[in-house]
Amino acid sequence: RKEVEQDPGPFNVPEGATVAFNCTYSNSASQSFFWYRQDCRKEPKLLMSVYSSGNEDGRFTAQLNRASQYISLLIRDSKLSDSATYLCVVTNQAGTALIFGKGTTLSVSS
Amino acid sequence: NAGVTQTPKFRVLKTGQSMTLLCAQDMNHEYMYWYRQDPGMGLRLIHYSVGEGTTAKGEVPDGYNVSRLKKQNFLLGLESAAPSQTSVYFCASSYSTQTSGSPDTQYFGPGTRLTVL
Repeated sequence: RKEVEQDPGPFNVPEGATVAFNCTYSNSASQSFFWYRQDCRKEPKLLMSVYSSGNEDGRFTAQLNRASQYISLLIRDSKLSDSATYLCVVTNQAGTALIFGKGTTLSVSS
Repeated sequence: NAGVTQTPKFRVLKTGQSMTLLCAQDMNHEYMYWYRQDPGMGLRLIHYSVGEGTTAKGEVPDGYNVSRLKKQNFLLGLESAAPSQTSVYFCASSYSTQTSGSPDTQYFGPGTRLTVL
């Protein structure tokens, strides 16, 4: 099992839609979890951290299920500007580095 | 604050040539990382450092060396470049979390686009 697995997509949705991305990870000892966003040919940037109790930032909601080793990201009321690749990120086996999933591509159209 | 900067932004090498990529951060971060990103492969960790004077291998370390002589700088070296090393290279840095000691949010540089002919 790969350390971090994501559905690559692409997810093609209209403006205003709600879309959800899922991610599974293999290291049960992982301590830190994040969602990053990467625009084409740009560097990744932090979208939000993921906490055990779940957390929300505006239209974005992240959930963590430690028992199932599963992370999710929900985007409500999608905007054209949400079009990007979303990267799921967890700590590595040693807890010293972050491991990135290959990303899920979202395309929002008008 | 400049954040994380990378030098150079673009480079073309011939097979067998050597070069060094420089990463600098002004946020006093303990952790620094080098990744490469290839189409369909995502970000893959090459080497990383958890503090000045320390380095460790990541997922794809072969063909690369690194040094962290100063806390703010992390150098990535290619001793004998190969076409397989054509890629976009990203440097990142982060604090460690106070509770677990694990890396916190990573801040990335803008990337170096390297082509090896």
